[in-house]
Amino acid sequence: GESVGLHLPTLSVQEGDNSIINCAYSNSASDYFIWYKQESGKGPQFIIDIRSNMDKRQGQRVTVLLNKTVKHLSLQIAATQPGDSAVYFCAENNRAAGTALIFGKGTTLSVSS
Amino acid sequence: DVKVTQSSRYLVKRTGEKVFLECVQDMDHENMFWYRQDPGLGLRLIYFSYDVKMKEKGDIPEGYSVSREKKERFSLILESASTNQTSMYLCASRTSYNSPLHFGNGTRLTVT
Repeated sequence: GESVGLHLPTLSVQEGDNSIINCAYSNSASDYFIWYKQESGKGPQFIIDIRSNMDKRQGQRVTVLLNKTVKHLSLQIAATQPGDSAVYFCAENNRAAGTALIFGKGTTLSVSS
Repeated sequence: DVKVTQSSRYLVKRTGEKVFLECVQDMDHENMFWYRQDPGLGLRLIYFSYDVKMKEKGDIPEGYSVSREKKERFSLILESASTNQTSMYLCASRTSYNSPLHFGNGTRLTVT
């Protein structure tokens, strides 16, 4: 079945390092992807999205890379800060699923200063 | 900014009670969703709606129903709450396919 998974459930980095959070997706028909950040006690917060006609998209301190050949998505966070500590989810969308996103289980990022 | 508001942050209910979780969005989004989030299971879709009075079952609709009488409001109903429905419930909305999904801050429901 369809699923979106993350390679690592936890990631620990030092403040100032760059972080890379990975996600593998299984449905080659997926054409829209989103990264979310969820802090404790809050709902998921939209970070950045990318459509399948792109390989890379940059935001403020974040970059999303899409490799359709191996069905892999990554989120890069530059100069990671303690405030970046949270759970990060990827999500995919495809026409068969309609307007409902399919979510991965999340990677917990811990940033130590 | 899009705002999705869930009426309660915390709820404690007894087994067998009828429970209403309310959600309102202020961006005129057509599509609204209810998810539950549990440790180790991630986000699971309960129901969604793509228009007023329209609803579609998600992956885990059993024990739940929904109501969408107005475009901005989407309610989740637990007809007879059970302890296995203790969870974090998240409401979300989006305009269309290929647009971001915006979440509320969740309702943590405890059924005793």
